[in-house]
Amino acid sequence: GDSVTQMEGPVTLSEEAFLTINCTYTATGYPSLFWYVQYPGEGLQLLLKATKADDKGSNKGFEATYRKETTSFHLEKGSVQVSDSAVYFCALESSYKLIFGSGTRLLVRP
Amino acid sequence: GAVVSQHPSRVICKSGTSVKIECRSLDFQATTMFWYRQFPKQSLMLMATSNEGSKATYEQGVEKDKFLINHASLTLSTLTVTSAHPEDSSFYICSARLGGNTEAFFGQGTRLTVV
Repeated sequence: GDSVTQMEGPVTLSEEAFLTINCTYTATGYPSLFWYVQYPGEGLQLLLKATKADDKGSNKGFEATYRKETTSFHLEKGSVQVSDSAVYFCALESSYKLIFGSGTRLLVRP
Repeated sequence: GAVVSQHPSRVICKSGTSVKIECRSLDFQATTMFWYRQFPKQSLMLMATSNEGSKATYEQGVEKDKFLINHASLTLSTLTVTSAHPEDSSFYICSARLGGNTEAFFGQGTRLTVV
């Protein structure tokens, strides 16, 4: 069945460092891909999405490109802030259902 | 974005009792709601999908009689864990969407501990 694999955390970075969180997927067809973020004590929020190959989703300085050839959707940010500390989930949509990766906790130190 | 409220955020119950978790869409009508379960350091696992006014569709391996889902209105879905046991302890999350291909909005989750 369809699945999502993302790198284990926690990822600890200093402020202004470059961030990459890896995400790969297995799916039949070409699903939409998402990154969700969960801040402490809050629900998951959609961070960005891409609906077809080579699409780039972006929001709040975060970017991810839908790579069909490598079945990947890695999340990147050029300069992280303390306020980016959260858990990040990669997901794909299959038959209107979201299938999630295990989440990656990011901790940004001042 | 739209707000989905989940209540309670934490609950502790005794083994053998039942506990109800509510999920409300506060500013939109949710034709479809989803219930997830999350184990520590693992993915959110979809338990069931419910459409307003109809029976929930459960994922394979999820016990229908154990996890009762009701979606009686366009703004409220409930998950009742019946005859709870310690292995039911987990983090339960709901999400709601207006319909079809629209964005899903998530509640903040409920931490259930069965003692």
